Amino acid sequence: EVQLVESGGGLVKPGGSLRLSCAASGFTFSSYSMNWVRQAPGKGLEWVSSISGSSSYIHYADSVKGRFTISRDNAKNSLYLQMNSLRAEDTAVYYCAKEGTDYDILTGYSYVFDIWGQGTLVTVSS
Amino acid sequence: SSELTQDPAVSVALGQTVRITCQGDSLRSYYASWYQQKPGQAPVLVIYGKNNRPSGIPDRFSGSSSGNTASLTITGAQAEDEADYYCNSRDSSGNHLGVFGGGTKLTVL
Repeated sequence: EVQLVESGGGLVKPGGSLRLSCAASGFTFSSYSMNWVRQAPGKGLEWVSSISGSSSYIHYADSVKGRFTISRDNAKNSLYLQMNSLRAEDTAVYYCAKEGTDYDILTGYSYVFDIWGQGTLVTVSS
Repeated sequence: SSELTQDPAVSVALGQTVRITCQGDSLRSYYASWYQQKPGQAPVLVIYGKNNRPSGIPDRFSGSSSGNTASLTITGAQAEDEADYYCNSRDSSGNHLGVFGGGTKLTVL
């Protein structure tokens, strides 16, 4: 069964840091781009970051650029999101999402998210 | 603000057909994907590409596109289709950034 399981969420003070993890199983992890998508309470979905299968291509939303770092360990079938300088507006459920393909040098990411984890809640509050 | 625009809410009578739309400049060049999200659950991909359904998605869900508008159509809406629906694609800047629409709350009457 194809599965993504996030962990690492919790309560953190403004300015603090947190590292999210996403454990993948049931597919060849290194063959697909992966993403983080977040959803603030009662709000819509927001794309956060993408990483290609080999980690050669990485992109961030402007709202997190310079504060968040996406990475992956293909040997461990794991995706990560290091979040620094956290703000109240970063409070959200964070989902990891698998793309249907890997990054293509000509066309880029597909942005087709065919598998999602259950999400992990990050609360930034003093 | 989102570069993909959706109506906040749409309603449909049980068994009738409903179309949910998504507008944005990037949709002139790229297909949208559509996701269904029920309360307390993760989103689920329902349509991608020109008009493709993942395994397990009922064939009453279909997609189409014209100009800067992508549409998700549910033909014969069922009570279990009541959910939030989101479109997504890439942004129009060409900078490899993803973008979601603001979401449409579908109510089945």
